[in-house]
Amino acid sequence: EAGVAQSPRYKIIEKRQSVAFWCNPISGHATLYWYQQILGQGPKLLIQFQNNGVVDDSQLPKDRFSAERLKGVDSTLKIQPAKLEDSAVYLCASSLRGSDEQFFGPGTRLTVL
Amino acid sequence: AQSVTQPDIHITVSEGASLELRCNYSYGATPYLFWYVQSPGQGLQLLLKYFSGDTLVQGIKGFEAEFKRSQSSFNLRKPSVHWSDAAEYFCAGNSRGGSNYKLTFGKGTLLTVNP
Repeated sequence: EAGVAQSPRYKIIEKRQSVAFWCNPISGHATLYWYQQILGQGPKLLIQFQNNGVVDDSQLPKDRFSAERLKGVDSTLKIQPAKLEDSAVYLCASSLRGSDEQFFGPGTRLTVL
Repeated sequence: AQSVTQPDIHITVSEGASLELRCNYSYGATPYLFWYVQSPGQGLQLLLKYFSGDTLVQGIKGFEAEFKRSQSSFNLRKPSVHWSDAAEYFCAGNSRGGSNYKLTFGKGTLLTVNP
């Protein structure tokens, strides 16, 4: 069974530029999560989707971050414009509907210069 | 506020020695509790989870964890550490019920294994 796929794995941009990350969850997983993991800290949930609807985006900085899951499968997380403090690993996870067990992708490491 | 605390930022053990990583939680009610491991450049892998029942939980790779309600703890243990266990370990919890399965993570404990 294929795991959660993410791309790119690494991205370096300058502040004020925009960037997008892509996630393909495990087939059949209705729930998709985006986490931000800053160096030295645990992951923090940014947004949770159930199919193509948002369940929780309370910690998403909506002035610069956006995410979508238009067809209820793949998802894209965008940052526009990026700030230095956005440097982090962005993790995507997925789970079966109603399940507490989340499966994580390898993450995208973003460096903002 | 709901929180998970890992008091130890970095632990070093010798290969073959026993290991215990600490985790404390603060929730209104007993949460679901998890331990994840993250190797460099990798995503998080679930080691074990506690929902209810037996307070000693067995996981993958020879790990176990014990839930202690009186101490609000969920410590991870392994009787004999292997060099391949060197990684970062995260304790996490979420509130029971509802449709929001948001995990709250601790800050992690980095494990170094000396030969």
